[in-house]
Amino acid sequence: QKEVEQDPGPLSVPEGAIVSLNCTYSNSAFQYFMWYRQYSRKGPELLMYTYSSGNKEDGRFTAQVDKSSKYISLFIRDSQPSDSATYLCAVLYGGATNKLIFGTGTLLAVQP
Amino acid sequence: SAVISQKPSRDICQRGTSLTIQCQVDSQVTMMFWYRQQPGQSLTLIATANQGSEATYESGFVIDKFPISRPNLTFSTLTVSNMSPEDSSIYLCSVGSPNYGYTFGSGTRLTVV
Repeated sequence: QKEVEQDPGPLSVPEGAIVSLNCTYSNSAFQYFMWYRQYSRKGPELLMYTYSSGNKEDGRFTAQVDKSSKYISLFIRDSQPSDSATYLCAVLYGGATNKLIFGTGTLLAVQP
Repeated sequence: SAVISQKPSRDICQRGTSLTIQCQVDSQVTMMFWYRQQPGQSLTLIATANQGSEATYESGFVIDKFPISRPNLTFSTLTVSNMSPEDSSIYLCSVGSPNYGYTFGSGTRLTVV
């Protein structure tokens, strides 16, 4: 079993739609949860970063962590064509380790 | 957050040769990380590089294949040695911490022919 599972998509939505991206993870010891956006031929860009359970909002983006279900989500409101990219979830144990464990990424296309 | 410059951005190399990738950070950092992103797969940590000490490699990665240098607090190199087509990947450097998150460079896209 992979430590982090993510639906690869592709996911295609019309402009203005609400997008829901999801990951599940296997180890309840993970404490830090991140979402990255990666445009084609670019490095991953940190979008959202949360510690433990709960919601975090930043503009059109909301990250949600449910540790009881080992489930993390990223919501994008009023999606734009510029949001078209691959979205990667990542988890981290914390403490002395800095090893990020990534999902395989979900390819999102927002159609104008 | 830190700004990372990575070069080369891409290269096509002959099998059996080596390529050195450079990573420059605009601020001093204790640890730098090297990741590999193979086609269709998730990013995987290769090693952690601390200034003044030998790099720490993850399971499945060895120093002879991926030697790393860390001469100061703003610079690191990763060499991919004796390359084969299976080494064709994107290689990325990263800096950060659990409290602030992690920033990545733009990556080096390597094709081995």
